[in-house]
Amino acid sequence: DTAVSQTPKYLVTQMGNDKSIKCEQNLGHNTMYWYKQDSKKFLKIMFSYNNKELIINETVPNRFSPKSPDKAHLNLHINSLELGDSAVYFCASSRGLAGGPRDTQYFGPGTRLTVL
Amino acid sequence: QKEVEQNSGPLSVPEGAIASLNCTYSDRGSQSFFWYRQYSGKSPELIMFIYSNGDKEDGRFTAQLNKASQYVSLLIRDSQPSDSATYLCAAGGGATNKLIFGTGTLLAVQP
Repeated sequence: DTAVSQTPKYLVTQMGNDKSIKCEQNLGHNTMYWYKQDSKKFLKIMFSYNNKELIINETVPNRFSPKSPDKAHLNLHINSLELGDSAVYFCASSRGLAGGPRDTQYFGPGTRLTVL
Repeated sequence: QKEVEQNSGPLSVPEGAIASLNCTYSDRGSQSFFWYRQYSGKSPELIMFIYSNGDKEDGRFTAQLNKASQYVSLLIRDSQPSDSATYLCAAGGGATNKLIFGTGTLLAVQP
């Protein structure tokens, strides 16, 4: 059983399009995250939800909008895609609060987004 | 200054040797530290976490934490070619309440 799953695994699209990435966790965790990993491998937090409530909202363009329908699901919608959005997007989950002491995060397989 | 710093490598070690990976962090309030391994094209996989000063051992892996020096390390004993990957250091529980990652160290174990 996959603990944190993401779809799709690969996403190739044209500039200006709108796309969504979905994430689900079956670990019973309370907090879910979206990270962006650029070509230099730097992993940066974008958003975090705790029990469907947005608790981390980093400085990302408004074109990125997360949505958590329930605590097991976190989706990421991206409007008007740009070349610079090309990256690998990872979903993660943890039992407690984001970055809290002793709160271990587990990552999904990632979605490789390529904007042409 | 980056919040979590690692040498990008590559760190090349022969098979069977000890690989030593180092990491420093700037937020003195950080309370928890994690090492993730990431194979090329794969997701980060948790290797170890450490919260207290000193050493923590798990199989071939030993994590070391020195809060006074704001320094974390990971030792891999009897390195195997399958250990070749990027190792990401992360610090959590600090002022920002986020998990902050370093840029990772690429380890190459030569057979």
